[in-house]
Amino acid sequence: SQKIEQNSEALNIQEGKTATLTCNYTNYSPAYLQWYRQDPGRGPVFLLLIRENEKEKRKERLKVTFDTTLKQSLFHITASQPADSATYLCARTNRDDKIIFGKGTRLHILP
Amino acid sequence: EADIYQTPRYLVIGTGKKITLECSQTMGHDKMYWYQQDPGMELHLIHYSYGVNSTEKGDLSSESTVSRIRTEHFPLTLESARPSHTSQYLCASSPAGYSYNEQFFGPGTRLTVL
Repeated sequence: SQKIEQNSEALNIQEGKTATLTCNYTNYSPAYLQWYRQDPGRGPVFLLLIRENEKEKRKERLKVTFDTTLKQSLFHITASQPADSATYLCARTNRDDKIIFGKGTRLHILP
Repeated sequence: EADIYQTPRYLVIGTGKKITLECSQTMGHDKMYWYQQDPGMELHLIHYSYGVNSTEKGDLSSESTVSRIRTEHFPLTLESARPSHTSQYLCASSPAGYSYNEQFFGPGTRLTVL
């Protein structure tokens, strides 16, 4: 079955440092990988999408990579701030248009 | 902030009651989705719709039903609520077309069945 695996342990990062979150997928490569941010009690908010033929995507302080050999996407937040503290979800979109979400990784940026 | 709304935000109800969770979007999106999410767990797709009069069941089996009579409206109904239905329910929408599948989520409804 197709799965999205994210580190379930919380990640603590000092303010100003780069936070790196990992997303691993199983089976065949998805058409896209998406990253969302979710705050407690709220719905997820879309951040970035990367296609399987793209290696890297950037948006302001955010960067996403897609490695089809490792079956992995990395999500980076540079110059992290306490306001970046949230749960970050990785999701795969398959060619049949179905989306499968991971459990997310809780990120804490320490002041 | 996305233009997708869910009501109520919180609902506490007794076993056996019929409930309807409302979801509306003003973006004109053809695709709409319902997800169920327990604390610390992933979102599970329970229903989706690709347009008016189109509804499909998702990957997670659910006793709920949905309808899509209008593009902007996608309500979810539980005929007889049970404690096992206690969860967070998230509605989402996205534009039509395969190549652009970003989902816009509502704030969610936290349902507690006693």
